Amino acid sequence: SQQGEEDPQALSIQEGENATMNCSYKTSINNLQWYRQNSGRGLVHLILIRSNEREKHSGRLRVTLDTSKKSSSLLITASRAADTASYFCATDGGGGTSYGKLTFGQGTILTVHP
Amino acid sequence: DAGVTQSPTHLIKTRGQHVTLRCSPISGHKSVSWYQQVLGQGPQFIFQYYEKEERGRGNFPDRFSARQFPNYSSELNVNALLLGDSALYLCASRRNNYNEQFFGPGTRLTVL
Repeated sequence: SQQGEEDPQALSIQEGENATMNCSYKTSINNLQWYRQNSGRGLVHLILIRSNEREKHSGRLRVTLDTSKKSSSLLITASRAADTASYFCATDGGGGTSYGKLTFGQGTILTVHP
Repeated sequence: DAGVTQSPTHLIKTRGQHVTLRCSPISGHKSVSWYQQVLGQGPQFIFQYYEKEERGRGNFPDRFSARQFPNYSSELNVNALLLGDSALYLCASRRNNYNEQFFGPGTRLTVL
C-alpha cells in the first residue's frame, strides 16, 4: 500500500515559474526522501530530510517537513523545461518491520513549458 | 564512482517462464533493495538485503525471491511469470539504513 500521497497528481507551469508539490504520509518516519523520474527510467535522488529537520535546501530545491501534520513539500524555484518529470516522495520508517524500506506515493507529474 | 548498475536493461519473457535480474550496488554500500514499479504508479518494495541477510520483504508472492552475494551484488528471481509481473524492476543501494537510497536505471520486464 502507498503511504505517501502526493498532491497535485499533475502540475503544468511555464518556464521560470515555481513549482510546489506536497506529500502526506500516515505513520512515523525516520526520514523522507524526494526523487525525480524521467520517462519511466531510474529514480534520481534529490534530497533527504530527517525527522528532526524542518527545512532543507539544495540548489533550486527547497524541502520542508512538518512531522506534526505528517506532510512535506518540495519547491522547485525558477523551473526549467528540463525539470519536466515525475516527482515522488518516499518515507523511510527505519527500524522494526519497516527496516530500511521506502514507501512511495503515486507521484506528481510536472510539465514545464518553454 | 559508478552508480548502481542493473542488467539486463530490457527483457521479454512469456507466461510461466523464470527470470533473473541482477544488480551491483555502489561501492561501499552494503544494503540492496528491490522495487517493482508498474506503469503510472510509485515503486513498491519487494525485498531488502543488508550484509547478505534478508531484512525486509514486501507483500509479494513466494514466486519472488532474492539473494545477496559476498560482494554485495544481488539477484532477484521471479518464477512462473504472470502477465501482471510486467513492470520496471528497480534496485537501490545505500550505505546503511539511515542514509540516502540510490537507484539504478531499472530492468524493464515484459511478460507476453
